[in-house]
Amino acid sequence: EAGVAQSPRYKIIEKRQSVAFWCNPISGHATLYWYQQILGQGPKLLIQFQNNGVVDDSQLPKDRFSAERLKGVDSTLKIQPAKLEDSAVYLCASSSPRGRGYGYTFGSGTRLTVV
Amino acid sequence: DAKTTQPPSMDCAEGRAANLPCNHSTISGNEYVYWYRQIHSQGPQYIIHGLKNNETNEMASLIITEDRKSSTLILPHATLRDTAVYYCIVGRYGGATNKLIFGTGTLLAVQP
Repeated sequence: EAGVAQSPRYKIIEKRQSVAFWCNPISGHATLYWYQQILGQGPKLLIQFQNNGVVDDSQLPKDRFSAERLKGVDSTLKIQPAKLEDSAVYLCASSSPRGRGYGYTFGSGTRLTVV
Repeated sequence: DAKTTQPPSMDCAEGRAANLPCNHSTISGNEYVYWYRQIHSQGPQYIIHGLKNNETNEMASLIITEDRKSSTLILPHATLRDTAVYYCIVGRYGGATNKLIFGTGTLLAVQP
């Protein structure tokens, strides 16, 4: 099966600019996650979708971050305005309850550098 | 917060078994132990999971103590390509509200 697709692979922006990341999950996976991974740390969950509804966004900095999954398939994560501390890898994952280990599959991520 | 404790780093000689420990003393009865690994510049990759019995697949073996408060991931014949950060995670299986909460993991360095 095709994996989780993410784009762009790399992005460099200046602080206070906006940026958007795109994720296309594995076909048929109802649950989609966005994680933020700062260098040297484990991934931190930002938001979880079940189909097109938000299940958990308690760790999402809502003053600057937003995410949507309008048709229950692909998703976008936006940062506006970006801060230096937003420099990180943004990982998207999808899961199916019938899969192994939750059936989590991760994309390769988008590496964001804010200068 | 992550509910597991792992050593920050370990070394292993190529061809030898790598034994990665994990403490999860607060694990509840319906929570599984999961292992994922993350090779540099890639997303985390599933390795194995278990509830109370030992498990083995083509990648690794998972040994869970009888009281379920700790576990060990075993890579039987480590290769240079096994150099990665290994994450031990506890959580419930399946369901729309379940999620993986990562700690800082163990950086395994396989030496030639």
